Amino acid sequence: KNEVEQSPQNLTAQEGEFITINCSYSVGISALHWLQQHPGGGIVSLFMLSSGKKKHGRLIATINIQEKHSSLHITASHPRDSAVYICAVRLDFGNEKLTFGTGTRLTIIP
Amino acid sequence: DAGVTQSPTHLIKTRGQQVTLRCSPKSGHDTVSWYQQALGQGPQFIFQYYEEEERQRGNFPDRFSGHQFPNYSSELNVNALLLGDSALYLCASSPGPGGYEQYFGPGTRLTVT
Repeated sequence: KNEVEQSPQNLTAQEGEFITINCSYSVGISALHWLQQHPGGGIVSLFMLSSGKKKHGRLIATINIQEKHSSLHITASHPRDSAVYICAVRLDFGNEKLTFGTGTRLTIIP
Repeated sequence: DAGVTQSPTHLIKTRGQQVTLRCSPKSGHDTVSWYQQALGQGPQFIFQYYEEEERQRGNFPDRFSGHQFPNYSSELNVNALLLGDSALYLCASSPGPGGYEQYFGPGTRLTVT
Protein backbone atom coordinates (compact mmCIF):
# COMPACT_ATOMS: atom_id res chain seq x y z
CA LYS A 1 0.00 0.00 0.00
CA ASN A 2 1.35 3.42 -0.93
CA GLU A 3 2.03 5.83 1.89
CA VAL A 4 0.14 8.52 -0.06
CA GLU A 5 -3.12 7.73 -1.82
CA GLN A 6 -5.06 10.09 -4.03
CA SER A 7 -8.60 9.92 -5.33
CA PRO A 8 -9.96 9.98 -7.85
CA GLN A 9 -7.24 8.94 -10.28
CA ASN A 10 -9.05 10.63 -13.14
CA LEU A 11 -11.70 13.33 -13.03
CA THR A 12 -13.58 14.93 -15.91
CA ALA A 13 -15.91 17.85 -15.25
CA GLN A 14 -17.70 20.65 -17.04
CA GLU A 15 -16.38 24.18 -16.93
CA GLY A 16 -17.67 25.99 -13.86
CA GLU A 17 -18.02 22.91 -11.66
CA PHE A 18 -16.62 22.72 -8.13
CA ILE A 19 -13.77 20.22 -8.02
CA THR A 20 -12.51 18.21 -5.06
CA ILE A 21 -9.39 16.04 -5.09
CA ASN A 22 -8.55 13.98 -2.03
CA CYS A 23 -5.29 12.83 -0.50
CA SER A 24 -4.86 10.35 2.35
CA TYR A 25 -1.62 9.34 3.98
CA SER A 26 -0.79 6.57 6.38
CA VAL A 27 2.04 8.02 8.47
CA GLY A 28 2.70 11.09 10.55
CA ILE A 29 3.85 14.05 8.52
CA SER A 30 5.38 17.46 9.08
CA ALA A 31 3.95 19.06 5.94
CA LEU A 32 1.83 18.31 2.89
CA HIS A 33 2.25 19.81 -0.57
CA TRP A 34 -0.20 20.15 -3.42
CA LEU A 35 1.48 20.38 -6.82
CA GLN A 36 0.24 20.90 -10.36
CA GLN A 37 1.85 19.22 -13.34
CA HIS A 38 0.95 20.15 -16.91
CA PRO A 39 1.63 18.02 -20.00
CA GLY A 40 5.33 18.31 -20.76
CA GLY A 41 6.27 17.80 -17.15
CA GLY A 42 6.87 21.06 -15.34
CA ILE A 43 5.64 21.03 -11.75
CA VAL A 44 4.24 24.08 -9.99
CA SER A 45 3.91 24.16 -6.23
CA LEU A 46 0.39 25.26 -5.27
CA PHE A 47 0.36 24.93 -1.50
CA MET A 48 2.42 23.74 1.41
CA LEU A 49 0.43 23.25 4.60
CA SER A 50 0.74 21.57 7.95
CA SER A 51 -2.61 22.50 9.46
CA GLY A 52 -5.89 24.19 8.68
CA LYS A 53 -6.68 25.74 5.35
CA LYS A 54 -5.04 27.87 2.68
CA LYS A 55 -6.63 29.75 -0.20
CA HIS A 56 -5.11 31.20 -3.35
CA GLY A 57 -7.48 32.57 -5.95
CA ARG A 58 -9.89 29.80 -6.92
CA LEU A 59 -7.85 27.12 -5.16
CA ILE A 60 -8.41 26.03 -1.58
CA ALA A 61 -6.43 23.38 0.29
CA THR A 62 -7.42 21.87 3.63
CA ILE A 63 -5.75 19.37 5.88
CA ASN A 64 -6.98 17.32 8.83
CA ILE A 65 -3.93 16.04 10.68
CA GLN A 66 -5.92 13.74 12.99
CA GLU A 67 -7.64 12.05 10.06
CA LYS A 68 -4.49 12.09 7.90
CA HIS A 69 -6.43 13.60 5.03
CA SER A 70 -6.18 16.63 2.78
CA SER A 71 -8.38 18.02 0.04
CA LEU A 72 -7.74 20.36 -2.85
CA HIS A 73 -10.76 22.29 -4.08
CA ILE A 74 -11.10 24.29 -7.27
CA THR A 75 -14.02 26.69 -7.53
CA ALA A 76 -15.46 27.82 -10.88
CA SER A 77 -13.24 25.38 -12.76
CA HIS A 78 -11.84 26.39 -16.13
CA PRO A 79 -10.28 24.38 -18.99
CA ARG A 80 -6.88 25.86 -18.10
CA ASP A 81 -7.13 24.01 -14.77
CA SER A 82 -6.74 20.75 -16.71
CA ALA A 83 -3.57 19.14 -15.36
CA VAL A 84 -2.35 16.41 -13.04
CA TYR A 85 -2.62 17.38 -9.38
CA ILE A 86 -0.16 15.68 -7.07
CA CYS A 87 -0.16 15.41 -3.31
CA ALA A 88 3.21 15.00 -1.60
CA VAL A 89 4.12 14.69 2.08
CA ARG A 90 7.22 15.31 4.12
CA LEU A 91 7.31 12.57 6.70
CA ASP A 92 8.92 14.34 9.63
CA PHE A 93 11.05 17.29 10.56
CA GLY A 94 14.58 16.84 9.35
CA ASN A 95 13.53 14.34 6.70
CA GLU A 96 13.86 16.23 3.46
CA LYS A 97 12.39 13.53 1.27
CA LEU A 98 8.99 14.23 -0.28
CA THR A 99 6.79 11.17 -0.81
CA PHE A 100 4.38 11.64 -3.69
CA GLY A 101 0.99 10.29 -4.60
CA THR A 102 0.47 9.11 -8.16
CA GLY A 103 -1.64 12.12 -9.04
CA THR A 104 -5.16 12.96 -10.15
CA ARG A 105 -5.64 13.75 -13.81
CA LEU A 106 -8.20 16.55 -14.10
CA THR A 107 -9.88 17.44 -17.39
CA ILE A 108 -12.23 20.40 -17.57
CA ILE A 109 -14.49 20.42 -20.62
CA PRO A 110 -15.60 23.80 -21.99
CA ASP B 1 13.80 36.51 -11.16
CA ALA B 2 14.67 33.25 -12.90
CA GLY B 3 13.09 30.18 -11.46
CA VAL B 4 14.65 26.74 -11.40
CA THR B 5 16.22 25.87 -14.73
CA GLN B 6 17.30 22.48 -16.02
CA SER B 7 19.29 21.32 -19.01
CA PRO B 8 18.99 19.67 -21.36
CA THR B 9 15.25 19.49 -21.95
CA HIS B 10 15.36 16.14 -23.69
CA LEU B 11 18.07 13.53 -24.01
CA ILE B 12 18.36 10.18 -25.73
CA LYS B 13 21.04 7.73 -24.62
CA THR B 14 21.92 4.10 -25.22
CA ARG B 15 22.04 1.39 -22.57
CA GLY B 16 25.37 1.33 -20.77
CA GLN B 17 26.14 4.99 -21.43
CA GLN B 18 26.53 7.70 -18.83
CA VAL B 19 24.52 10.90 -18.58
CA THR B 20 24.84 14.22 -16.74
CA LEU B 21 21.84 16.43 -16.05
CA ARG B 22 22.13 19.97 -14.77
CA CYS B 23 20.07 22.20 -12.52
CA SER B 24 20.32 25.85 -11.52
CA PRO B 25 18.29 26.73 -8.45
CA LYS B 26 15.99 29.68 -8.02
CA SER B 27 17.79 32.85 -7.00
CA GLY B 28 18.36 32.87 -3.25
CA HIS B 29 18.01 29.11 -2.89
CA ASP B 30 20.92 26.98 -1.69
CA THR B 31 19.36 23.52 -1.52
CA VAL B 32 18.70 21.25 -4.48
CA SER B 33 16.71 18.01 -4.56
CA TRP B 34 16.47 15.57 -7.46
CA TYR B 35 13.49 13.36 -8.31
CA GLN B 36 12.82 10.67 -10.91
CA GLN B 37 9.33 10.43 -12.39
CA ALA B 38 8.58 7.36 -14.46
CA LEU B 39 5.70 7.57 -16.92
CA GLY B 40 2.36 7.51 -15.13
CA GLN B 41 3.95 7.54 -11.69
CA GLY B 42 4.56 10.13 -9.01
CA PRO B 43 8.10 11.46 -8.58
CA GLN B 44 10.55 9.46 -6.46
CA PHE B 45 13.17 11.21 -4.31
CA ILE B 46 16.74 10.56 -5.46
CA PHE B 47 18.81 12.81 -3.19
CA GLN B 48 19.25 16.30 -1.82
CA TYR B 49 22.33 18.54 -1.83
CA TYR B 50 23.11 21.33 0.60
CA GLU B 51 26.47 23.02 1.23
CA GLU B 52 27.96 20.91 -1.57
CA GLU B 53 27.19 17.67 0.23
CA GLU B 54 24.58 14.96 -0.22
CA ARG B 55 22.30 15.48 2.75
CA GLN B 56 19.79 12.72 2.23
CA ARG B 57 19.33 9.92 -0.29
CA GLY B 58 16.37 7.91 -1.49
CA ASN B 59 16.32 4.29 -2.53
CA PHE B 60 18.46 4.57 -5.66
CA PRO B 61 21.58 2.58 -6.56
CA ASP B 62 25.08 4.02 -6.51
CA ARG B 63 24.87 4.44 -10.29
CA PHE B 64 23.05 7.65 -9.41
CA SER B 65 25.42 10.28 -8.09
CA GLY B 66 25.40 14.02 -7.82
CA HIS B 67 27.34 17.12 -7.13
CA GLN B 68 26.64 20.63 -5.96
CA PHE B 69 28.86 23.54 -6.91
CA PRO B 70 29.74 26.63 -4.86
CA ASN B 71 27.14 28.64 -6.82
CA TYR B 72 24.51 26.11 -5.60
CA SER B 73 23.90 24.63 -9.05
CA SER B 74 23.82 20.87 -9.18
CA GLU B 75 24.44 17.91 -11.45
CA LEU B 76 22.88 14.48 -11.49
CA ASN B 77 25.01 11.72 -13.00
CA VAL B 78 23.74 8.30 -13.95
CA ASN B 79 26.22 5.61 -14.98
CA ALA B 80 25.63 2.34 -16.83
CA LEU B 81 22.20 3.41 -18.04
CA LEU B 82 19.38 0.89 -18.03
CA LEU B 83 16.17 0.98 -20.02
CA GLY B 84 14.37 1.49 -16.71
CA ASP B 85 16.20 4.77 -16.17
CA SER B 86 14.00 6.33 -18.85
CA ALA B 87 12.02 8.98 -16.98
CA LEU B 88 11.49 12.66 -16.35
CA TYR B 89 14.16 13.94 -13.98
CA LEU B 90 13.01 16.85 -11.87
CA CYS B 91 15.12 19.25 -9.88
CA ALA B 92 13.67 21.29 -7.04
CA SER B 93 15.28 24.05 -5.04
CA SER B 94 14.51 25.55 -1.66
CA PRO B 95 15.95 28.31 0.52
CA GLY B 96 17.41 25.82 2.95
CA PRO B 97 17.22 22.16 3.87
CA GLY B 98 14.81 22.45 6.74
CA GLY B 99 11.36 21.75 5.40
CA TYR B 100 10.94 24.78 3.18
CA GLU B 101 8.64 24.81 0.18
CA GLN B 102 10.34 23.36 -2.89
CA TYR B 103 10.24 25.01 -6.30
CA PHE B 104 10.45 22.64 -9.25
CA GLY B 105 12.17 23.01 -12.60
CA PRO B 106 10.68 21.95 -15.93
CA GLY B 107 12.50 18.62 -15.90
CA THR B 108 14.77 16.71 -18.25
CA ARG B 109 13.18 13.86 -20.15
CA LEU B 110 15.69 11.03 -20.52
CA THR B 111 15.05 8.20 -22.95
CA VAL B 112 17.32 5.16 -22.83
CA THR B 113 17.23 2.92 -25.90
